[in-house]
Amino acid sequence: DIVMTQSPLSLPVTPGEPASISCRSSQSLLHNNGYDYLGWYLQKPGQSPQLLIYLGSNRASGVPDRFSGSGSGTDFTLKISRVEAEDVGVYYCMQALEARPTFGGGTKVEIK
Amino acid sequence: EVQLVESGGGLVQPGGSLRLSCVVSGFTFSDYWMHWVRHVPGKGLVWVSYINNDGTSTSYADSVKGRFTISRDNAKNTLYLQMTSLRGEDTGVYYCARDGRFLEWLLYTWLPDYWGQGTLVTVSS
Repeated sequence: DIVMTQSPLSLPVTPGEPASISCRSSQSLLHNNGYDYLGWYLQKPGQSPQLLIYLGSNRASGVPDRFSGSGSGTDFTLKISRVEAEDVGVYYCMQALEARPTFGGGTKVEIK
Repeated sequence: EVQLVESGGGLVQPGGSLRLSCVVSGFTFSDYWMHWVRHVPGKGLVWVSYINNDGTSTSYADSVKGRFTISRDNAKNTLYLQMTSLRGEDTGVYYCARDGRFLEWLLYTWLPDYWGQGTLVTVSS
């Protein structure tokens, strides 16, 4: 199985400041159709996970434009341009290139 | 509005069985692959299983293969997860999720887009 490694484990943030989360995969997630099969999810406290970014860099419907995804192959980054209080929760990357998808361990974002 | 509603969770003894259901609405169920994902607080998300749109293809995480069976009834807009030989490590909140079809020509991506609210399964004596 493809192993997904996220960093940092915990990220204290200041509202209005930028934040960045890294995700690395044990093998390339680039499909032969040209897309990276990588998604980013946010699980807010007490809620179900919600999709933020799909296929590496595409913002899901209704997701604020302060969220962006970048990277290709094995290295990916989720950036929040200006953190808001409602962005707290655990962020997960997920690979879907292989028939058994796997999640990263999660990054907990909390307000300083 | 896309909705997914899970049910069937509960407390079960090790070695026991449970069947989870997920009733969906707001989209054409038979057009979409579907997933089950488990969340263990403090331990993150774990993908459990998926099934293709007509039920002819399935995949399972190694940890549940041979014990769990995913199925669907497209006439009833319902997804199922039959869980047998349950273990303590199966404890968690189980979410059903729709597979994302982000582009017209992509029939599946194995990246869930919509998720239900979850149903709690506790395996304990």
